[in-house]
Amino acid sequence: NAGVTQTPKFRVLKTGQSMTLLCAQDMNHEYMYWYRQDPGMGLRLIHYSVGEGTTAKGEVPDGYNVSRLKKQNFLLGLESAAPSQTSVYFCASGEGGLQPQHFGDGTRLSIL
Amino acid sequence: AQSVSQHNHHVILSEAASLELGCNYSYGGTVNLFWYVQYPGQHLQLLLKYFSGDPLVKGIKGFEAEFIKSKFSFNLRKPSVQWSDTAEYFCAVRSNSNSGYALNFGKGTSLLVTP
Repeated sequence: NAGVTQTPKFRVLKTGQSMTLLCAQDMNHEYMYWYRQDPGMGLRLIHYSVGEGTTAKGEVPDGYNVSRLKKQNFLLGLESAAPSQTSVYFCASGEGGLQPQHFGDGTRLSIL
Repeated sequence: AQSVSQHNHHVILSEAASLELGCNYSYGGTVNLFWYVQYPGQHLQLLLKYFSGDPLVKGIKGFEAEFIKSKFSFNLRKPSVQWSDTAEYFCAVRSNSNSGYALNFGKGTSLLVTP
Protein backbone atom coordinates (compact mmCIF):
# COMPACT_ATOMS: atom_id res chain seq x y z
CA ASN A 1 0.00 0.00 0.00
CA ALA A 2 1.73 3.17 -1.21
CA GLY A 3 -0.31 5.67 0.85
CA VAL A 4 0.43 9.20 -0.33
CA THR A 5 2.89 9.55 -3.21
CA GLN A 6 4.38 12.83 -4.36
CA THR A 7 6.23 13.47 -7.60
CA PRO A 8 8.78 14.78 -8.23
CA LYS A 9 10.90 14.54 -5.08
CA PHE A 10 13.27 17.33 -6.08
CA ARG A 11 13.12 20.10 -8.63
CA VAL A 12 15.07 23.23 -9.46
CA LEU A 13 13.32 25.97 -11.41
CA LYS A 14 14.24 29.34 -12.75
CA THR A 15 12.20 32.38 -11.80
CA GLY A 16 9.16 32.66 -14.05
CA GLN A 17 8.99 29.00 -15.00
CA SER A 18 5.89 26.97 -14.34
CA MET A 19 5.48 23.47 -13.00
CA THR A 20 2.99 21.07 -11.48
CA LEU A 21 3.46 18.92 -8.42
CA LEU A 22 1.47 15.71 -8.33
CA CYS A 23 0.01 14.03 -5.28
CA ALA A 24 -1.65 10.64 -5.49
CA GLN A 25 -3.32 8.67 -2.69
CA ASP A 26 -4.61 5.13 -2.78
CA MET A 27 -6.65 5.19 0.43
CA ASN A 28 -9.87 6.52 -1.13
CA HIS A 29 -9.70 9.60 1.07
CA GLU A 30 -12.10 12.45 0.40
CA TYR A 31 -9.88 15.21 1.76
CA MET A 32 -6.54 16.26 0.36
CA TYR A 33 -4.20 19.08 1.31
CA TRP A 34 -1.09 20.89 0.14
CA TYR A 35 1.23 22.41 2.74
CA ARG A 36 4.55 24.17 2.49
CA GLN A 37 7.23 23.80 5.12
CA ASP A 38 9.76 26.54 5.70
CA PRO A 39 12.44 26.72 8.42
CA GLY A 40 11.03 28.13 11.64
CA MET A 41 7.54 28.40 10.15
CA GLY A 42 6.15 24.90 10.58
CA LEU A 43 3.66 23.74 7.97
CA ARG A 44 1.27 26.19 6.36
CA LEU A 45 -1.78 25.20 4.37
CA ILE A 46 -1.77 26.33 0.76
CA HIS A 47 -4.95 24.80 -0.67
CA TYR A 48 -7.16 21.88 0.16
CA SER A 49 -9.95 19.81 -1.33
CA VAL A 50 -12.97 18.24 0.33
CA GLY A 51 -13.78 16.01 -2.61
CA GLU A 52 -13.38 15.38 -6.30
CA GLY A 53 -13.94 18.55 -8.29
CA THR A 54 -13.67 20.87 -5.29
CA THR A 55 -10.83 23.08 -4.07
CA ALA A 56 -10.48 25.82 -1.48
CA LYS A 57 -7.85 28.30 -0.35
CA GLY A 58 -5.80 27.79 2.75
CA GLU A 59 -3.57 30.13 4.68
CA VAL A 60 -1.03 30.95 1.94
CA PRO A 61 -2.69 30.39 -1.47
CA ASP A 62 -1.16 33.26 -3.48
CA GLY A 63 0.92 32.17 -6.46
CA TYR A 64 -0.50 28.64 -6.48
CA ASN A 65 -3.38 26.89 -8.18
CA VAL A 66 -4.77 23.42 -7.60
CA SER A 67 -7.02 20.92 -9.27
CA ARG A 68 -8.78 17.75 -8.13
CA LEU A 69 -10.13 16.20 -11.30
CA LYS A 70 -9.88 12.69 -9.90
CA LYS A 71 -10.49 11.68 -6.31
CA GLN A 72 -7.08 10.11 -5.93
CA ASN A 73 -5.06 12.99 -7.36
CA PHE A 74 -4.44 16.53 -6.16
CA LEU A 75 -2.26 18.75 -8.34
CA LEU A 76 -0.44 21.87 -7.19
CA GLY A 77 0.59 24.33 -9.89
CA LEU A 78 3.00 27.23 -9.88
CA GLU A 79 2.20 29.44 -12.85
CA SER A 80 5.21 31.73 -12.57
CA ALA A 81 7.69 30.53 -9.97
CA ALA A 82 9.28 33.05 -7.59
CA PRO A 83 12.26 32.60 -5.24
CA SER A 84 9.86 33.03 -2.28
CA GLN A 85 8.28 29.74 -3.29
CA THR A 86 11.46 27.83 -2.54
CA SER A 87 10.25 25.37 0.05
CA VAL A 88 9.44 21.77 0.85
CA TYR A 89 5.92 20.90 -0.22
CA PHE A 90 3.92 18.21 1.52
CA CYS A 91 0.72 16.66 0.37
CA ALA A 92 -1.64 15.00 2.83
CA SER A 93 -4.91 13.13 2.66
CA GLY A 94 -7.54 12.17 5.18
CA GLU A 95 -11.02 10.84 5.72
CA GLY A 96 -12.09 13.95 7.61
CA GLY A 97 -13.98 13.79 10.83
CA LEU A 98 -11.92 12.34 13.64
CA GLN A 99 -9.26 10.79 11.45
CA PRO A 100 -5.70 12.12 11.20
CA GLN A 101 -4.03 13.13 7.99
CA HIS A 102 -1.47 11.00 6.17
CA PHE A 103 1.49 12.74 4.63
CA GLY A 104 3.60 12.16 1.55
CA ASP A 105 7.41 12.24 1.53
CA GLY A 106 7.58 15.83 0.30
CA THR A 107 8.88 17.67 -2.75
CA ARG A 108 11.91 19.88 -2.30
CA LEU A 109 11.58 22.80 -4.71
CA SER A 110 14.28 25.41 -5.30
CA ILE A 111 13.67 28.47 -7.42
CA LEU A 112 16.66 30.41 -8.61
CA ALA B 1 -6.35 35.14 15.92
CA GLN B 2 -6.18 31.37 16.10
CA SER B 3 -2.69 30.08 16.70
CA VAL B 4 -0.61 27.17 17.88
CA SER B 5 2.48 27.93 19.94
CA GLN B 6 5.37 25.62 20.61
CA HIS B 7 7.55 27.13 23.29
CA ASN B 8 10.85 25.47 22.57
CA HIS B 9 12.34 25.77 19.11
CA HIS B 10 15.47 23.75 19.82
CA VAL B 11 15.99 21.21 22.59
CA ILE B 12 19.16 19.24 23.28
CA LEU B 13 19.02 16.30 25.68
CA SER B 14 21.26 13.45 26.69
CA GLU B 15 20.05 9.91 26.24
CA ALA B 16 17.82 8.73 29.12
CA ALA B 17 16.81 12.27 30.02
CA SER B 18 13.13 13.08 30.32
CA LEU B 19 11.41 15.15 27.66
CA GLU B 20 8.58 17.62 27.78
CA LEU B 21 7.66 19.76 24.79
CA GLY B 22 5.11 22.49 25.29
CA CYS B 23 2.17 23.26 23.02
CA ASN B 24 -0.51 25.88 23.57
CA TYR B 25 -3.36 26.87 21.31
CA SER B 26 -5.75 29.79 21.17
CA TYR B 27 -8.85 28.21 19.69
CA GLY B 28 -12.22 28.24 21.36
CA GLY B 29 -14.71 25.44 21.34
CA THR B 30 -14.03 21.83 20.55
CA VAL B 31 -10.56 20.97 19.31
CA ASN B 32 -8.76 17.90 18.09
CA LEU B 33 -5.08 17.80 19.02
CA PHE B 34 -2.17 16.02 17.39
CA TRP B 35 1.55 15.55 17.70
CA TYR B 36 3.48 14.66 14.58
CA VAL B 37 7.15 13.71 14.30
CA GLN B 38 9.41 14.26 11.33
CA TYR B 39 12.65 12.27 11.29
CA PRO B 40 15.47 13.74 9.19
CA GLY B 41 14.60 13.58 5.51
CA GLN B 42 11.26 11.89 6.09
CA HIS B 43 7.61 12.82 6.03
CA LEU B 44 5.46 13.63 9.03
CA GLN B 45 4.23 10.70 11.05
CA LEU B 46 1.48 10.74 13.64
CA LEU B 47 2.72 10.24 17.20
CA LEU B 48 -0.58 10.57 19.01
CA LYS B 49 -3.91 12.31 18.91
CA TYR B 50 -6.59 13.51 21.27
CA PHE B 51 -10.26 13.84 20.37
CA SER B 52 -12.15 13.27 23.61
CA GLY B 53 -12.18 11.20 26.79
CA ASP B 54 -9.11 10.55 28.93
CA PRO B 55 -6.94 13.67 28.69
CA LEU B 56 -3.77 11.60 29.04
CA VAL B 57 -3.06 10.11 25.65
CA LYS B 58 -0.48 7.45 24.93
CA GLY B 59 1.12 7.24 21.52
CA ILE B 60 3.77 5.27 19.73
CA LYS B 61 7.39 4.85 20.82
CA GLY B 62 6.68 5.61 24.49
CA PHE B 63 5.36 9.13 23.94
CA GLU B 64 2.38 10.53 25.78
CA ALA B 65 0.62 13.87 25.94
CA GLU B 66 -1.75 15.51 28.37
CA PHE B 67 -4.62 17.73 27.35
CA ILE B 68 -5.31 20.44 29.93
CA LYS B 69 -8.37 22.28 28.73
CA SER B 70 -8.13 25.09 31.29
CA LYS B 71 -4.61 25.88 30.12
CA PHE B 72 -5.26 25.32 26.40
CA SER B 73 -2.25 23.05 26.43
CA PHE B 74 -1.26 19.70 24.97
CA ASN B 75 2.29 18.98 26.11
CA LEU B 76 4.26 16.03 24.80
CA ARG B 77 6.28 13.89 27.21
CA LYS B 78 8.61 10.93 27.21
CA PRO B 79 10.24 9.61 30.39
CA SER B 80 13.52 8.54 28.81
CA VAL B 81 14.62 9.67 25.35
CA GLN B 82 16.80 7.71 22.96
CA TRP B 83 19.20 8.84 20.27
CA SER B 84 16.65 7.67 17.70
CA ASP B 85 14.19 10.29 18.98
CA THR B 86 16.24 13.00 17.29
CA ALA B 87 13.68 14.65 15.04
CA GLU B 88 11.42 17.63 14.62
CA TYR B 89 8.14 17.58 16.53
CA PHE B 90 5.02 19.43 15.47
CA CYS B 91 1.91 20.14 17.47
CA ALA B 92 -1.24 20.54 15.38
CA VAL B 93 -4.77 21.63 16.19
CA ARG B 94 -8.01 21.20 14.35
CA SER B 95 -11.03 23.17 15.50
CA ASN B 96 -14.66 23.14 14.45
CA SER B 97 -14.03 26.31 12.48
CA ASN B 98 -11.36 24.69 10.31
CA SER B 99 -12.85 24.13 6.90
CA GLY B 100 -12.10 20.78 5.36
CA TYR B 101 -10.76 19.41 8.64
CA ALA B 102 -7.49 21.22 7.93
CA LEU B 103 -4.76 21.31 10.57
CA ASN B 104 -3.02 24.33 12.03
CA PHE B 105 0.57 23.54 12.92
CA GLY B 106 2.95 25.02 15.40
CA LYS B 107 6.37 26.07 14.16
CA GLY B 108 7.97 22.90 15.40
CA THR B 109 10.57 21.90 17.99
CA SER B 110 13.85 20.43 16.87
CA LEU B 111 15.06 17.77 19.31
CA LEU B 112 18.64 16.55 19.35
CA VAL B 113 19.45 13.62 21.60
CA THR B 114 23.13 13.13 22.28
CA PRO B 115 24.70 9.80 23.25
